[in-house]
Amino acid sequence: AQSVSQHNHHVILSEAASLELGCNYSYGGTVNLFWYVQYPGQHLQLLLKYFSGDPLVKGIKGFEAEFIKSKFSFNLRKPSVQWSDTAEYFCAVKDYGQNFVFGPGTRLSVLP
Amino acid sequence: SAVISQKPSRDICQRGTSLTIQCQVDSQVTMMFWYRQQPGQSLTLIATANQGSEATYESGFVIDKFPISRPNLTFSTLTVSNMSPEDSSIYLCSVHGGQGYEQYFGPGTRLTVT
Repeated sequence: AQSVSQHNHHVILSEAASLELGCNYSYGGTVNLFWYVQYPGQHLQLLLKYFSGDPLVKGIKGFEAEFIKSKFSFNLRKPSVQWSDTAEYFCAVKDYGQNFVFGPGTRLSVLP
Repeated sequence: SAVISQKPSRDICQRGTSLTIQCQVDSQVTMMFWYRQQPGQSLTLIATANQGSEATYESGFVIDKFPISRPNLTFSTLTVSNMSPEDSSIYLCSVHGGQGYEQYFGPGTRLTVT
């Protein structure tokens, strides 16, 4: 079965620091990849997605992610984080014919 | 994108009772999904609800504990039966969008069982 892992459980950064959150998945075929964000007290929102084409995808709020097929990875990046980026981040994978599988989540705390 | 609403937004229930959660979507959808997010954990799919047929449950979830109704293409309910404190979670309804490639989520129902 498909599985998704995220490298860090909790990341603590100061404002203006650069961010990279790791995500790896296990399925070897064609996949759709997603990053979702859950701000404190709010519901899940789609941050960005990859279906095909350019492996570097840009999302909302300055986030981007790079799909590296050979590494089964889809890491999330942001060059300069803000206090308002404090949230839980979930990587998710959908392969054809299957439901979404979510990673365990990474909690990001940005210190002002 | 789809707009999804859930009722109630939160509830505190006693052990042994049942709670029915409602999910309403602003457009007709074939499949609706119910997830559980336990405290500090990721999302786990409970079941997929198709209109006009019985729900399909994931491993570890059974119909007697989580009965689901899907009376039409915009509405579904999930009942958490005979609740115990271990059922304390956020329950989320979701639907596919964007030609099935994306997933949209409702605001969730925060359930606390005492």
